Amino acid sequence: GAVVSQHPSWVICKSGTSVKIECRSLDFQATTMFWYRQFPKQSLMLMATSNEGSKATYEQGVEKDKFLINHASLTLSTLTVTSAHPEDSSFYICSAITGLGFKETQYFGPGTRLLVL
Amino acid sequence: KQEVTQIPAALSVPEGENLVLNCSFTDSAIYNLQWFRQDPGKGLTSLLLIQSSQREQTSGRLNASLDKSSGRSTLYIAASQPGDSATYLCAAPLGGGNQFYFGTGTSLTVIP
Repeated sequence: GAVVSQHPSWVICKSGTSVKIECRSLDFQATTMFWYRQFPKQSLMLMATSNEGSKATYEQGVEKDKFLINHASLTLSTLTVTSAHPEDSSFYICSAITGLGFKETQYFGPGTRLLVL
Repeated sequence: KQEVTQIPAALSVPEGENLVLNCSFTDSAIYNLQWFRQDPGKGLTSLLLIQSSQREQTSGRLNASLDKSSGRSTLYIAASQPGDSATYLCAAPLGGGNQFYFGTGTSLTVIP
């Protein structure tokens, strides 16, 4: 089956630094990738949708200047948390679809845990 | 408002018991539904994917069913083991788009 990987799986950083999270589709080309985040005791919520070669679409309430998304190739999307603060500590997960059909299966990465000190 | 709900929020059972986790969703036109496992402090693992044309899927001791008309899915775990202890999430694309809506999960503890 299709595999989506994320790197790193865990990251700890100091407040004010930037952190980059990678999402890769290992055995298929993903024209569309999605980024979700999960706060403690809450469900995963969609942050943004990224399409290869174009700007990401952000959900309401998500700061696009803080969460930079780049989908430069058909197998890689990156999420950069700029000037991270403790409130950005969360579980971030990506998913991907090929975008070649309607109602496609969405494949999820294992997630990245971010802790900002 | 599109929503996925999971009941109960927490469940504790003795080892060896069979158990059922429940998931309900607000859109009867979903085209698939996934069940995931999340271990404390760790990532997400996809357990089962059910397409809208299927009524159930099985993997080992796990069996997931899907009833679109009633907006419900269940995850059945047979002969539970302590290693099954984790949070189980269900998720589905609601409203005709690709955005997945996740439930808040059921935290399962299997007591040896």
